[in-house]
Amino acid sequence: DSGVTQTPKHLITATGQRVTLRCSPRSGDLSVYWYQQSLDQGLQFLIQYYNGEERAKGNILERFSAQQFPDLHSELNLSSLELGDSALYFCASSGTGTTFTDTQYFGPGTRLTVL
Amino acid sequence: AQKVTQAQTEISVVEKEDVTLDCVYETRDTTYYLFWYKQPPSGELVFLIRRNSFDEQNEISGRYSWNFQKSTSSFNFTITASQVVDSAVYFCALEVTGGGNKLTFGTGTQLKVEL
Repeated sequence: DSGVTQTPKHLITATGQRVTLRCSPRSGDLSVYWYQQSLDQGLQFLIQYYNGEERAKGNILERFSAQQFPDLHSELNLSSLELGDSALYFCASSGTGTTFTDTQYFGPGTRLTVL
Repeated sequence: AQKVTQAQTEISVVEKEDVTLDCVYETRDTTYYLFWYKQPPSGELVFLIRRNSFDEQNEISGRYSWNFQKSTSSFNFTITASQVVDSAVYFCALEVTGGGNKLTFGTGTQLKVEL
């Protein structure tokens, strides 16, 4: 158990809809990262937040947005969903803000299915 | 543009055999970082190692070792005396920091260790 929690575990929705994925980092970790793993695109880094502020941006679509709240949990919002957004979305946390420099601990992922 | 190639899609070995997973990368940046991650059947990602481009020393951690060779743009991962618990998909990744943090993953190598 990495100490990172993600909810929900599974999500099934329809095209055009909007969903919110939630991540709680390990106790004491200030950075949260979001990744997408799909059959088409493979693994992709989406975005990193550190202590409430965006720190690094990867291949995140404009239809997607994220935020990190004062209690350090993070939410990834996906809107105008398309079939191709079906994927496993991982969140990871780490202690520092310097992107990718220290060990990241990954959550179990949220499996999103867009029908 | 950055690229990571893991040419081995799937490898099967018998327990106690040594196995090497290949990773070849492409980048024009002189400063970059290389990673390996493990994704066991449970699905969670596990960070294994991060190496910077200025440190070509091989690294050993228990049964795991990594061989970084700039001359061939490779960062290979060897598991010595493999065990069934090593069965997983292993991903190599490349990070370049010029122009922001860009992290590129390979397509992964599925390792099956059988009794």
